Amino acid sequence: EAGVAQSPRYKIIEKRQSVAFWCNPISGHATLYWYQQILGQGPKLLIQFQNNGVVDDSQLPKDRFSAERLKGVDSTLKIQPAKLEDSAVYLCASSFTSGGRDTQYFGPGTRLTVL
Amino acid sequence: LAKTTQPISMDSYEGQEVNITCSHNNIATNDYITWYQQFPSQGPRFIIQGYKTKVTNEVASLFIPADRKSSTLSLPRVSLSDTAVYYCLVGASGSARQLTFGSGTQLTVLP
Repeated sequence: EAGVAQSPRYKIIEKRQSVAFWCNPISGHATLYWYQQILGQGPKLLIQFQNNGVVDDSQLPKDRFSAERLKGVDSTLKIQPAKLEDSAVYLCASSFTSGGRDTQYFGPGTRLTVL
Repeated sequence: LAKTTQPISMDSYEGQEVNITCSHNNIATNDYITWYQQFPSQGPRFIIQGYKTKVTNEVASLFIPADRKSSTLSLPRVSLSDTAVYYCLVGASGSARQLTFGSGTQLTVLP
C-alpha cells in the first residue's frame, strides 16, 4: 500500500516570498491533516479536512496560510507571505476510521527554511 | 484540552524493556490513548492505541489502569533502532484533542 506522498521534500525561500506544499493521501482515506513541526517540538495541527470540507482550522494563521483539498483527494498548503518563524517541517497525514478509532498515517514532510 | 505529561528523555540499553509513562488526568470518557514514534526527518508513525486495560501488538504493549489517568507504553527488548521520540496523544475519534501532540519523550538506546 502506498503511503502519504508529499512534495517537495525541502524548500528554501526568502521572507515575504510565497511557497506551496502538496500532499497526496493514502487512497480511500477521507480525512487529511496538515501539521507544522518546529524543531524540538511536537507537531501542531494546522488544518483538518474531511473529504473536501474543513473540520478544524482553528490553529491556521489565516492571514498568511491557506489550504485546499479540491475533489477530496490531494491537498495543497500555501504560505504567502512567509515569515522567518514559518521555518519548520510541514507534515501531511491521512486517516481512516474503524470501530470508532482513527489511525493517522504521516508523510515524510516538507522541510521549509525561510531566510 | 486534555493535557498529557511525559518525561522529556529516557536512556536505555539494548535488550532491555523500556516503559514510558504518560499522565493524562483530564481524560474524558470517549477518549482513546494513542502512541506514535518519530525518527529524525520522518513523520510520526502509529505504534499502538487503546482504551482500557492492556493492548498488545507486534511491536509494543500499552497498559492502562482502571482510572485511565495514565498509560504506559512498553517496548520489549529495545534495540538501537528504537531510538526515537515517542508521543502520547489522548482524545476521542475525530476530536482536536486526539491530534494534540506534546513535546514527546526522547528515548535513546545505548549499545
